Amino acid sequence: EAGVAQSPRYKIIEKRQSVAFWCNPISGHATLYWYQQILGQGPKLLIQFQNNGVVDDSQLPKDRFSAERLKGVDSTLKIQPAKLEDSAVYLCASSQGPNVGGPGNTIYFGEGSWLTVV
Amino acid sequence: AQKITQTQPGMFVQEKEAVTLDCTYDTSDPSYGLFWYKQPSSGEMIFLIYQGSYDQQNATEGRYSLNFQKARKSANLVISASQLGDSAMYFCAVNTGFQKLVFGTGTRLLVSP
Repeated sequence: EAGVAQSPRYKIIEKRQSVAFWCNPISGHATLYWYQQILGQGPKLLIQFQNNGVVDDSQLPKDRFSAERLKGVDSTLKIQPAKLEDSAVYLCASSQGPNVGGPGNTIYFGEGSWLTVV
Repeated sequence: AQKITQTQPGMFVQEKEAVTLDCTYDTSDPSYGLFWYKQPSSGEMIFLIYQGSYDQQNATEGRYSLNFQKARKSANLVISASQLGDSAMYFCAVNTGFQKLVFGTGTRLLVSP
């Protein structure tokens, strides 16, 4: 079974530029997550989708970050304009459903997209 | 809101020995789940083990076991017979129901030959 795919793996941009990250979840997974992981910290949830609807975007800086999952499968996370403090790893993850925890229904992560803003 | 505390920024262990990584949590919800993830230098978060708050027995998955002490709100990860490939960051996380997974700050484990 293929895992969560993300691209690009690495991106370096100047501040005030824009960047977009793409994620393809595990086949059949209805719930998709974008996490931000700043160096030395644990991942922090930015946005959670259930199919193509947003469940939680309370920690998404909406003045500069946007995300969509138009057909309930792939998702794109965009940052515009980028700031120095946006330098982080952006992790996409997916699960069968939103109530994770039992066997067979945990959250699976991709390898992440590493962003450096200079 | 949930909070996770991992007090050990780094741990060292020799190959083939056991190691315990500490995790305490704070949640007011009686029903919750506890997770441990491993993050190697490649960046991917790898699921290791899960414990539900109502599970009577401590969870085990191969060389990983979870020492769950509900009254103390503690969920320590025990890795038996450490291997060089276990060197990585380890994160404890908690969620309640449909709410988001909240992670701790992690512990870096180094396994020496």
